[in-house]
Amino acid sequence: KNQVEQSPQSLIILEGKNCTLQCNYTVSPFSNLRWYKQDTGRGPVSLTIMTFSENTKSNGRYTATLDADTKQSSLHITASQLSDSASYICVVSAIGAGGFKTIFGAGTRLFVKA
Amino acid sequence: NAGVTQTPKFQVLKTGQSMTLQCAQDMNHNSMYWYRQDPGMGLRLIYYSASEGTTDKGEVPNGYNVSRLNKREFSLRLESAAPSQTSVYFCASSEIRTLSSYNEQFFGPGTRLTVL
Repeated sequence: KNQVEQSPQSLIILEGKNCTLQCNYTVSPFSNLRWYKQDTGRGPVSLTIMTFSENTKSNGRYTATLDADTKQSSLHITASQLSDSASYICVVSAIGAGGFKTIFGAGTRLFVKA
Repeated sequence: NAGVTQTPKFQVLKTGQSMTLQCAQDMNHNSMYWYRQDPGMGLRLIYYSASEGTTDKGEVPNGYNVSRLNKREFSLRLESAAPSQTSVYFCASSEIRTLSSYNEQFFGPGTRLTVL
């Protein structure tokens, strides 16, 4: 069964600290993995996209890694800011005979405190 | 460019009432999607439209209908609302370049629906 599991469910950190969010997936055949940021009351916004051949991708203070062998990804946030408080969603896409299938993780809720 | 817009932002319905959620995009994307987001769960696909004139069921289509009015607009209709349809609904659009390429979806701000 295609699944995307994220951990932790929620996380509280102090402003300025780093943190790492995890994503494990069983989706196959793998096409790409994306991380989205979702602010409260808003729609998700894409942070990074990685295909099978990419094992790291950065977007400012956000760095995503992908290990396609172990089917794991992480999102590292450096020098956190209050505006980083949001849900971070891991999304994995598969492509097969039936076309694209996109599976969303439940997200990690990050709280950054002053 | 406004991106993806949705109306209304909030709605309260009584069980059995009907309503239509509207979605429009100005990015000239071919594909549009409707999702629902429930607490503790990932977004789940209700219906999608790969291109103008086509619609297909997603993971949770029961109780919903859709219309791809034109390339810009994709509406979601609840014919007889039920409390289980209380959720936040997101519309998204994307431009599928090739079958093996990226499929980044751009999301609207969501509609928060409560069915009493």
